[in-house]
Amino acid sequence: DAGVIQSPRHEVTEMGQEVTLRCKPISGHNSLFWYRQTMMRGLELLIYFNNNVPIDDSGMPEDRFSAKMPNASFSTLKIQPSEPRDSAVYFCASSWTIYEQFFGPGTRLTVL
Amino acid sequence: AQTVTQSQPEMSVQEAETVTLSCTYDTSENNYYLFWYKQPPSRQMILVIRQEAYKQQNATENRFSVNFQKAAKSFSLKISDSQLGDTAMYFCAFMKQNSGYALNFGKGTSLLVTP
Repeated sequence: DAGVIQSPRHEVTEMGQEVTLRCKPISGHNSLFWYRQTMMRGLELLIYFNNNVPIDDSGMPEDRFSAKMPNASFSTLKIQPSEPRDSAVYFCASSWTIYEQFFGPGTRLTVL
Repeated sequence: AQTVTQSQPEMSVQEAETVTLSCTYDTSENNYYLFWYKQPPSRQMILVIRQEAYKQQNATENRFSVNFQKAAKSFSLKISDSQLGDTAMYFCAFMKQNSGYALNFGKGTSLLVTP
């Protein structure tokens, strides 16, 4: 298996633009997680899905952030409009057991 | 909410030596799981070791072992025979049982292994 796939790996955009981050979880995994990593706040859970259904989105910073999981093999995290403080590394992870989450390589987002 | 604290932002150890990374957590839960994840410069997050709170025996994975003190809410990671490839950020993480597998991470400890 190729592991969790995220795209793009790097994204540079200007303030006010819409940004869409994509994730393909490992086949057979039924849970998917979006995390954000910054120097100031460390790794924060934004939202997670179980069987494609959002379970907890309390970590989503504000209404500018939205996430979808239309099927078991694809998820998106959208920021609209983007702001410089959204600059971070965004990780997607998937799992099928409580014992381990498998992380993607992350998307480094820079908002100018 | 659970709080995970890693009090050592940076540590350094010489190759072949042993180093211990500290982690404490705050929870009112009785059943939970604890993890150490490694993030090398490649940025990839990798599971190092996990511990179930109901198990008294400390987990061990090759050169990595933990000292789990449930009453003290402490979960330290010991790396024996440190190797250059162990250079990475190490994150302690907490997961409530029946929480849908969501992880709550500490701020991390940057470990540098020197020749």
